[in-house]
Amino acid sequence: KAGVTQTPRYLIKTRGQQVTLSCSPISGHRSVSWYQQTPGQGLQFLFEYFSETQRNKGNFPGRFSGRQFSNSRSEMNVSTLELGDSALYLCASSLARFTSTDTQYFGPGTRLTVL
Amino acid sequence: DAKTTQPPSMDCAEGRAANLPCNHSTISGNEYVYWYRQIHSQGPQYIIHGLKNNETNEMASLIITEDRKSSTLILPHATLRDTAVYYCIAMKTSYDKVIFGPGTSLSVIP
Repeated sequence: KAGVTQTPRYLIKTRGQQVTLSCSPISGHRSVSWYQQTPGQGLQFLFEYFSETQRNKGNFPGRFSGRQFSNSRSEMNVSTLELGDSALYLCASSLARFTSTDTQYFGPGTRLTVL
Repeated sequence: DAKTTQPPSMDCAEGRAANLPCNHSTISGNEYVYWYRQIHSQGPQYIIHGLKNNETNEMASLIITEDRKSSTLILPHATLRDTAVYYCIAMKTSYDKVIFGPGTSLSVIP
């Protein structure tokens, strides 16, 4: 079974631009979570989607947004990019069977560099 | 979620078992112990998780003490490709946010 895929893998943008990142979960998985990882802050939760609805949101400004489509694929958008947005953006998917034996599986990440 | 503590770094000889400890003395009864690892600049990889019984899969074994206050991840025959940062976390369900601490940087030495 194919794993979580993220596109693009690498991205270079300049301050003020916007960016859209894409995540395709493992087939059959219905929940998608997004995380930002930086050397200074570690892994930080952005938001989680299930059945096209945002169920949970982390402490990030409104410039960070996301959505999920009916096929469970998800996108996240960052507008008005700042230098501090440079990070590895990770997507994780899970079956969302509402059982505690479920597991989040991460994708390879998108490395965003803001110049 | 319970806080976990791990040694910052460990070395292991190639081919030997790597035993990575984790302390989670404040874990609650409905929190699972999860282990992930991350090779430099790649996405975290799920390894194993358990509640109170020892668990084994094709990657590793997880030994949880009877009082559940600590656990050990065992990589039975470490290879150079096992060099990574290993994260031990306690989560109630998979819908909890994954929060990594500093983890243990494991270096497998030839």
